[in-house]
Amino acid sequence: IAGITQAPTSQILAAGRRMTLRCTQDMRHNAMYWYRQDLGLGLRLIHYSNTAGTTGKGEVPDGYSVSRANTDDFPLTLASAVPSQTSVYFCASSDSGGQGATGELFFGEGSRLTVL
Amino acid sequence: GQNIDQPTEMTATEGAIVQINCTYQTSGFNGLFWYQQHAGEAPTFLSYNVLDGLEEKGRFSSFLSRSKGYSYLLLKELQMKDSASYLCAAMDSNYQLIWGAGTKLIIKP
Repeated sequence: IAGITQAPTSQILAAGRRMTLRCTQDMRHNAMYWYRQDLGLGLRLIHYSNTAGTTGKGEVPDGYSVSRANTDDFPLTLASAVPSQTSVYFCASSDSGGQGATGELFFGEGSRLTVL
Repeated sequence: GQNIDQPTEMTATEGAIVQINCTYQTSGFNGLFWYQQHAGEAPTFLSYNVLDGLEEKGRFSSFLSRSKGYSYLLLKELQMKDSASYLCAAMDSNYQLIWGAGTKLIIKP
């Protein structure tokens, strides 16, 4: 069982380029999330989806977009990358909605993104 | 505003006991989570407390006091593999998770 798979694991890209981080889960979880993790800061929620077909904005949504066409996939797109988007990005899922409710989050291994 | 405070770094000795504290301020409260994150890896779930008291799970225990806005994670019989960051997260009334910056635990032989 793979759990949550993220791709790529690491990427360097030039400022202004478009980038999509992929996230796929095989646990049939309803809720999925994208976080960024920066040194000295807690995980910050970018976007979330409580169920397929719906998405919502988190704490730091600007410059990012998501889609949830089906249960398994939740890609995160940076339309025009900027250096401040250099970070480690984690995709997560839970089997209950409402931003995780009381269910634990299962995280992917992360995507390390560097924008130059 | 909503806030989570936990120490940045702690050091402990192999075989000893360590307590990692977390204080929180949230709009409403729907529980307190602890996650472990080894360097370069994903966070993994350790515990969830919503009622006051101590929850024990093997070498790890987690305590919650809702009236004090306080939780701690207790690690017993420390092993080298326990070297990691420990993330505290509180869930507010909208089921939004508020995350602390994490406590880096260094275990020395």
